[in-house]
Amino acid sequence: DARVTQTPRHKVTEMGQEVTMRCQPILGHNTVFWYRQTMMQGLELLAYFRNRAPLDDSGMPKDRFSAEMPDATLATLKIQPSEPRDSAVYFCASGLVIANTGELFFGEGSRLTVL
Amino acid sequence: QKEVEQDPGPLSVPEGAIVSLNCTYSNSAFQYFMWYRQYSRKGPELLMYTYSSGNKEDGRFTAQVDKSSKYISLFIRDSQPSDSATYLCAMSTQGGSEKLVFGKGTKLTVNP
Repeated sequence: DARVTQTPRHKVTEMGQEVTMRCQPILGHNTVFWYRQTMMQGLELLAYFRNRAPLDDSGMPKDRFSAEMPDATLATLKIQPSEPRDSAVYFCASGLVIANTGELFFGEGSRLTVL
Repeated sequence: QKEVEQDPGPLSVPEGAIVSLNCTYSNSAFQYFMWYRQYSRKGPELLMYTYSSGNKEDGRFTAQVDKSSKYISLFIRDSQPSDSATYLCAMSTQGGSEKLVFGKGTKLTVNP
C-alpha cells in the first residue's frame, strides 16, 4: 500500500529550538510538496521539488525555514529557530508530473506546537 | 483578496440531504480544478478532478466548473454520515503534479 510517510506525527517544542520534519514520498513520484495548514490561512504551499531540484520556495520564510531533498526517498523541512507562530500542521505530498489527474498524495501531517 | 475563496462553514445537514459546496477564484489562468476531502487528523485526498469548464459526475458526487464566473461547485447527493469531513477546493494553472492553490475548506457534518 503506497503512501507518503511523515515523521514526527506530533512535536511540541519551545521557542528558539530547531525542528526537523521528514517525509518519505511514494516510490517513483518525482514531485514533492511541503504545505502548512492552519485554521486562519488554510493550506499554504511552502516549497516544492521536482526530481529533487527545488522549483519554488517562495511561500517559505527564508530566514528560518529550509527545505531539502537529499535523495529521492527523503525530503526534509527544517525550522531554526522556531517561533510560536510556526505552530501548524505540516503536510508533505508527492505526485507524478506526467499523471493526467495531477493528483497529489498527502501524508498524515506533522502537528507542530511551539510554546 | 486571496486567489481562492471558500466559505469555511461549518455546514450541518441531515442524512440524505443534497449538499452544495462552492469556491470562487480570481486567477483566470486556472485551468485545472479539484476537490479534496480531508477527514479529521488526516491528510487531504483527491475526490474529484476536472479540466476547464463543464460538469463531471462520479457516483453521488458532481463537480461543476464555470470559468466565465470563476466559480466551482461540488454537489453531494444522498449525503451519508461517512461524508462528514472538510472539503477543500484546489486549482492549478497546469496539469500534472503542479502546485495547487487551495481554498480554506468547508467543514461538513452529515447527521444520521
